[in-house]
Amino acid sequence: QVQLVQSGAEVKKPGASVKVSCKASGYSFTTYDINWVRQATGQGPEWMGWMNPMRGNTGYAQKFQGRVSMTRNISIGTAYLEVSSLTSDDTAVYYCARLDRAGESYWGQGTLVTVSS
Amino acid sequence: QSALTQPASVSGSPGQSITISCTGTSSDVGNYNLVSWYQHHPGKGPKVMIYEVFKRPSAISDRFSGSKSGNTASLTISGLQPEDEADYYCWSYGGKGTWVFGGGTKVTVL
Repeated sequence: QVQLVQSGAEVKKPGASVKVSCKASGYSFTTYDINWVRQATGQGPEWMGWMNPMRGNTGYAQKFQGRVSMTRNISIGTAYLEVSSLTSDDTAVYYCARLDRAGESYWGQGTLVTVSS
Repeated sequence: QSALTQPASVSGSPGQSITISCTGTSSDVGNYNLVSWYQHHPGKGPKVMIYEVFKRPSAISDRFSGSKSGNTASLTISGLQPEDEADYYCWSYGGKGTWVFGGGTKVTVL
């Protein structure tokens, strides 16, 4: 079955960067885009952007342009989200997801990123 | 403020039916039959309940159903059960590779 398994929780200081991984299994990794969504406590989910694993091209929400990078390692079927210049506003649970336009969507279990001095 | 509007909370007694609305615009909900819903229990990953407005993953009970009219999508839970108590979120395709989400609805089983 399709699974997206994310890396563990992170604690970072303001100004630092964080890199979250998302390992895909149960399907052909290069066939479907990977999206990243984050959710801060008490707020709704926020779409951050997408990455096409085959070509490596990306599309970011305007709010995150210049501060996030979505990459992948095809050989191990893993997508990455890197967020730089972290502030306390970036404290959230970060999810990778296959938000397919045809068929069911699949989500990772989430990675808590805490930004604190 | 989320792009899609959901009621903050909905409640019902066991066995009753409840409906959660998700209102967007003609650029997202109204323009695409790509509205989905997920259930979220604290500490767990999202569980997709409905996709493409009304389709259900094979493992999801038929007590859950989805619909759409104009710019508003809806999730109905019939025969409400205690385990249905959770947060529910809608999301829709917004065009040009973008996705928009609702702010979430807390469902309470009285």
